[in-house]
Amino acid sequence: KNQVEQSPQSLIILEGKNCTLQCNYTVSPFSNLRWYKQDTGRGPVSLTIMTFSENTKSNGRYTATLDADTKQSSLHITASQLSDSASYICVVSAGDTGNQFYFGTGTSLTVIP
Amino acid sequence: KAGVTQTPRYLIKTRGQQVTLSCSPISGHRSVSWYQQTPGQGLQFLFEYFSETQRNKGNFPGRFSGRQFSNSRSEMNVSTLELGDSALYLCASSREGSGSNYGYTFGSGTRLTVV
Repeated sequence: KNQVEQSPQSLIILEGKNCTLQCNYTVSPFSNLRWYKQDTGRGPVSLTIMTFSENTKSNGRYTATLDADTKQSSLHITASQLSDSASYICVVSAGDTGNQFYFGTGTSLTVIP
Repeated sequence: KAGVTQTPRYLIKTRGQQVTLSCSPISGHRSVSWYQQTPGQGLQFLFEYFSETQRNKGNFPGRFSGRQFSNSRSEMNVSTLELGDSALYLCASSREGSGSNYGYTFGSGTRLTVV
């Protein structure tokens, strides 16, 4: 069964600390994996897109990793800021043309001062 | 460069009614996809339109339909509304859509409440 699972479900960290969010998937055939950040009441905003051959991709303080062998991805946030408080959603595209989408239920991150 | 615009932002409808939501993509984007987001189910894919043709479809009943116009603007229609249709409906546009590694840009969504 094609699934995307994210952990933890929620996370509270102190401002300035680092954190890592996990995404495990059983989707195949894999096309690409996206991480999105969604602020409350807003639409998701793309952070990174990773294909099968990419291991690491950074976007400012956000660094995503992908291990296609173990079907795991992580999103590492460095030196967290209050504005990082949001839901982070992992989306895996599958199918020969990448036209099937599988969504994780997200990790809710709260950064406190 | 204008983002993805969804209208209206909020909507309250009664069970049994029908509703039409609108999405204007980023200029030059030919793909528009629609999603339903609820606290219990998370984000679920509804359908994708590319150059006025439905290219992909998720597992939603036929009450959910859509269309895309020649200017790439898209509308989504839900007929015979049910309480369970209450959700945030998100639209995303992309230059090429599924099968490519171009990113999707989401709108802010339409919050539909069915009473």
